[in-house]
Amino acid sequence: QVQLVESGGGVVQPGRSLRLSCAASGFTFSSYGMHWVRQAPGKGLEWVAVIWYDGSNKYYADSVKGRFTISRDNSKNTLYLQMNSLRAEDTAVYYCARVARPDGSADAFDIWGQGTMVTVSS
Amino acid sequence: AIRITQSPSSLSASTGDRVTITCRASQGISSYLAWYQQKPGKAPKLLIYAASTLQSGVPSRFSGSGSGTDFTLTISCLQSEDFATYYCQQYYSYPFTFGPGTKVDIK
Repeated sequence: QVQLVESGGGVVQPGRSLRLSCAASGFTFSSYGMHWVRQAPGKGLEWVAVIWYDGSNKYYADSVKGRFTISRDNSKNTLYLQMNSLRAEDTAVYYCARVARPDGSADAFDIWGQGTMVTVSS
Repeated sequence: AIRITQSPSSLSASTGDRVTITCRASQGISSYLAWYQQKPGKAPKLLIYAASTLQSGVPSRFSGSGSGTDFTLTISCLQSEDFATYYCQQYYSYPFTFGPGTKVDIK
């Protein structure tokens, strides 16, 4: 079945780095734009970043621009989020999500992973 | 960035009630609006996209309307499984933005 599974979360000290992965299965990964969305404990959803289906375009939230990098390996059906210079305010559950239509960028998110928790604390 | 507001922030309702949640964008977003349902500890679930199109598998008691800056999500006859938090999201331009959420709980 169509599935996204995140991994790589954990506890990290401020200023350090972490890389999240999102493994896709059950669909043609290389045809879909992919997003990262995060949710701080007890808070709402915050969009983080997008990468187009072919990796040709990437966009970031201002809160992570210059610190986070989204990438993908279509040969491995995997999405990544490299997070550098982490701050306490980056503490959140991080979800990867798929756009609803292939080859689209501006679209709703129809498939979500279960999320991976990132805690930034000394 | 486009700001999204939602109202109310929370509401209490009973099974069988009709519930309406509103979402307003700070500028026109045509129909590039989605609604999601989230239950505690779970990922969001897509309910409505393109402002009024029901996602496959979502019960018909959910409906969406609006375009431009003002949108609504209506649950026609609230069921026990509908108690959750609802978010709207614009995908008209980056950065995509979510509303702050509306928590629907049991009266």
